[in-house]
Amino acid sequence: EAQLVETGGGLIQPGGSLRLSCAASAFTVSSNSMSWVRQAPGKGLEWVSVIYSGGNTYYADSVKGRFTISRDSFKNTLYLQMGSLRAEDTAVYYCARMGPLLLPSYFDSWGQGTLVTVSS
Amino acid sequence: EVVMTQSPATLSVSPGERATLSCRASQSVTSNLAWYQQKPGQAPRLLIYAASTRATGIPARFSGSGSGAEFTLTISSLQSEDFAVYHCQQYNNWPRTFGQGTKVEVK
Repeated sequence: EAQLVETGGGLIQPGGSLRLSCAASAFTVSSNSMSWVRQAPGKGLEWVSVIYSGGNTYYADSVKGRFTISRDSFKNTLYLQMGSLRAEDTAVYYCARMGPLLLPSYFDSWGQGTLVTVSS
Repeated sequence: EVVMTQSPATLSVSPGERATLSCRASQSVTSNLAWYQQKPGQAPRLLIYAASTRATGIPARFSGSGSGAEFTLTISSLQSEDFAVYHCQQYNNWPRTFGQGTKVEVK
């Protein structure tokens, strides 16, 4: 069974940077399309970014130019580098595998999430 | 972007009763619609994809229907473990978008 474990969240001041990690097991990150999805306190889910198995990356308009998604094949880990953080970036950040393999569409496995709080 | 609207925001149901949740898209998403269940403090779990196909391990009491812009998730007989928030998500267009969620609570 696929497992995902996020780390790296915490309290960060506005304008700061943070890197989230998502370690995967029982499947290969680089062979799948992977996303980050966030959930602000008491709010719904918001897709943030995707990295396709082929390496192409895409971002939500709300984070474009500030966040970078990447992966490390040797560590089987997904990353989200977040910069120029704003209060509205405060959320639980989930990494999620996208399925099916050939046409990444929905999110079939999720990590437990890591909380990012942007506040002075 | 495609806006997903779920109703009602909160649904109060007694155990053993049927629950019907709605999800509407601002434009057609054909059958490219998924449903997720989320319990407090937990990650979402995929229930349904392709509007009506249950994900692996999902009990038969969960069923999805609809196409185009109107979708329904039905829980035929609510069990104690089904009280949670349910999210719909379209994957016909980028960005992938979610509804705001329906909370199913004990009546």
